[in-house]
Amino acid sequence: NAGVMQNPRHLVRRRGQEARLRCSPMKGHSHVYWYRQLPEEGLKFMVYLQKENIIDESGMPKERFSAEFPKEGPSILRIQQVVRGDSAAYFCASSRAGTSAGELFFGEGSRLTVL
Amino acid sequence: KNQVEQSPQSLIILEGKNCTLQCNYTVSPFSNLRWYKQDTGRGPVSLTIMTFSENTKSNGRYTATLDADTKQSSLHITASQLSDSASYICVVILNYGGSQGNLIFGKGTKLSVKP
Repeated sequence: NAGVMQNPRHLVRRRGQEARLRCSPMKGHSHVYWYRQLPEEGLKFMVYLQKENIIDESGMPKERFSAEFPKEGPSILRIQQVVRGDSAAYFCASSRAGTSAGELFFGEGSRLTVL
Repeated sequence: KNQVEQSPQSLIILEGKNCTLQCNYTVSPFSNLRWYKQDTGRGPVSLTIMTFSENTKSNGRYTATLDADTKQSSLHITASQLSDSASYICVVILNYGGSQGNLIFGKGTKLSVKP
């Protein structure tokens, strides 16, 4: 049973370009979470999704960031018109149930560098 | 304000020695507390999950304690190994009925085990 798969592992973009990060949850998991981690900082919640629904996006910046989890395929975190401050590691996690009860499994992260 | 504070920020110990990492939280309402290990450049991996009623839980050489009255938790590592070098993250889960974006992450303690 493969774990949470994220790709790409490393992504380099120039300012103004778009970044798309993908996350395939563990088999049987329908809950997906995205977190951002800056160097020497803790993980910060961005968005929580279930299939085809955004449940909580209270941690997402109001502009340029969007997330989806379609019926088929991986969850995607999209950052438009990237700026240097978007450089960070973006982690995806999945669970079978909600986080209050369920074990949370993390992917290896996608490291975005904005030049 | 919901916060999770970890100490020390970093720690260097010799291989074979024991160490204890601390986590204090001001999070309410509390559901459970988790310790994760994050190797450099990797995603966090769960070590223990503790509910309100649990005082101690072990996972191999890792033993976590929880005092819900004082809102403190500790992670004790016995007979450290070089592979224990990592960041150890304390995560407190809020007991929400609605939103599931309710994990509060500490910044982690960076442990280095030297030969």
